[in-house]
Amino acid sequence: QKEVEQDPGPLSVPEGAIVSLNCTYSNSAFQYFMWYRQYSRKGPELLMYTYSSGNKEDGRFTAQVDKSSKYISLFIRDSQPSDSATYLCAMSRTGANSKLTFGKGITLSVRP
Amino acid sequence: ETGVTQSPTHLIKTRGQQVTLRCSSQSGHNTVSWYQQALGQGPQFIFQYYREEENGRGNFPPRFSGLQFPNYSSELNVNALELDDSALYLCASSSTMGQSTDTQYFGPGTRLTVL
Repeated sequence: QKEVEQDPGPLSVPEGAIVSLNCTYSNSAFQYFMWYRQYSRKGPELLMYTYSSGNKEDGRFTAQVDKSSKYISLFIRDSQPSDSATYLCAMSRTGANSKLTFGKGITLSVRP
Repeated sequence: ETGVTQSPTHLIKTRGQQVTLRCSSQSGHNTVSWYQQALGQGPQFIFQYYREEENGRGNFPPRFSGLQFPNYSSELNVNALELDDSALYLCASSSTMGQSTDTQYFGPGTRLTVL
């Protein structure tokens, strides 16, 4: 079993839809949770960062962490074609600047 | 503020050869991490350098080695290349160790193809 599992894709939604992306993990020592967005032929770009459990909102993006269930989610409201990319969840035991363990990534396509 | 840069962009090598990849960290960052991203997979941690010392290593064999220089730029060296080493190699930099909230900023990567 991998330490971090991410919902398989790809995912295709119409413009304006609410998108839910999810990851589960097995290592209860993870405390730092991140979502990265990766466009084709580019490096990952940090979208959201959360420490421990709870919710965090930034514009159209909301990150949720449920440590009791070992489950994290990223919600995208009013999705735009520019949101089309691969989304990677990442986790760390000791800090956002330490070793990151990534999920496999899910490719999202937002249709105009 | 200059972001993380990597060179070269693409590289083609043959099995058994050696390769050196380079990374310049973002201005003000003294920590560099390297990741390997195979096609269709998430990045996998190779190792991290802080102030020129290795500070953590993932599950990669010793033929993967690295260096960090006084200006905090870094190199990743891979010896005895294997076909499975074909991947996108990502460099990420972050600021002062010990501040766990400091996040990592990734470069565009070097795409290595081993034939």
